[in-house]
Formats: sequence, C-alpha cells, structure tokens
Amino acid sequence: AQTVTQSQPEMSVQEAETVTLSCTYDTSESDYYLFWYKQPPSRQMILVIRQEAYKQQNATENRFSVNFQKAAKSFSLKISDSQLGDAAMYFCAYRTANAGGTSYGKLTFGQGTILTVHP
Amino acid sequence: NAGVTQTPKFQVLKTGQSMTLQCAQDMNHEYMSWYRQDPGMGLRLIHYSVGAGITDQGEVPNGYNVSRSTTEDFPLRLLSAAPSQTSVYFCASRPTPGTAYEQYFGPGTRLTVT
Repeated sequence: AQTVTQSQPEMSVQEAETVTLSCTYDTSESDYYLFWYKQPPSRQMILVIRQEAYKQQNATENRFSVNFQKAAKSFSLKISDSQLGDAAMYFCAYRTANAGGTSYGKLTFGQGTILTVHP
Repeated sequence: NAGVTQTPKFQVLKTGQSMTLQCAQDMNHEYMSWYRQDPGMGLRLIHYSVGAGITDQGEVPNGYNVSRSTTEDFPLRLLSAAPSQTSVYFCASRPTPGTAYEQYFGPGTRLTVT
C-alpha cells in the first residue's frame, strides 16, 4: 500500500518570502500522479499543482513549483513571494496511474501542513 | 455548472441515529468518492464508485453504506452514528478513472456525533 508523509505539522513564512513544504511517499509503482492541495479555512479543497511521475520536468504554476525527486520519493512544494492568501492547510496526495486493482482512483493523502503567513 | 454539491454543511447527531449525507455533481463524472478528514490524519477514503450501479469499499468503510443509482448522485448513509464518526466528510468526483484528471471536491459536511 502507498503511504504519504508530511513531516512538518506547521510552517510559517513572512509575506513576500519563500517557503518549502516537504512530502515523501512510499510506493512500488513506477507510474503515478502526485498532487498538492490547499485547504483554506473555508474547508474547500483546492488543487494547487500536479506532477506526473513519468515527466522529469518539475511542474510549476505561477508562484508554486515542485521539486520532484523520483528516486528519493520526495515531492516538495515551493511557494515564492508568499501572500497572506496562501495561509492554509496544505496536503500532499498520491494516486496510482494503473487502471486496475483496488487502488484505482484512490487518493492517498499526507497528514497536512498548516502554513501561516506573517505580514 | 454547480460542480460538486454536498448537503447539509453541518449536522449534529445523537449516538445511534441514522442519516444520509447527500452528494451530487453535474459534470457527468464517472468516478465519485467519499473521504473523511480527521485531525492529523489527512483525508481517508470511505467508499467509491466508478459508475452508476458500481460501488466499492475504501480504506475506512465500516459504519457507512453507499449506493449509486444515477451518475449524478452518490449518497453516504450512516446507519447507527457513533462518536468515532465525528469528522468532516468530503465528496469528490472525477471524469474518468486512470487519467491525469484531478478530483473535484465538494465543500464538505461537518458532522458531530454526541
């Protein structure tokens, strides 16, 4: 079974600074997807960024980028020029790309990291 | 499109009561699922469905039932609520299993069982 670990329960950053959230995962599969979700106080789950394991290039979305290290099974999220609106709980998640089996479609989440942004 | 909708947003139950959490999506998605979110544990899969008439258990299915009679609706039933089911419940949907498409989440239901 796949597992996802976020070892930082809480992180904080000054507005306009850069912060990196860590995520490691364990899997025996070679083809899969990794995601970062943001959950603000409204509770809504918002997709921040997605990485396909077969792509070597790290995904980027505006101020958000990832450092995907497949061999190390590491998937960190970097937030540049942090804004007050970035304050939220962030979840790392894994999903298999294999069409069969009981893990089909299932997202496996880490425990979450609470990000505080100081003005 | 309304996306994924969930009702109610908040609910308080007494131990032993039953209730149904409603979930609907208007995007014609095949795949729908229910997760529960507990502090320090992230989201865990309860049940999922790959299409109308097809459901299966996830990671934490005990105490919950589901059915999928239409593509749009995927209700979650608590037959006899227990305090351990106090949690935030999310419904999610996705177009096609096995693709790169992300899941769309509903706004969540906060359930308290006393």
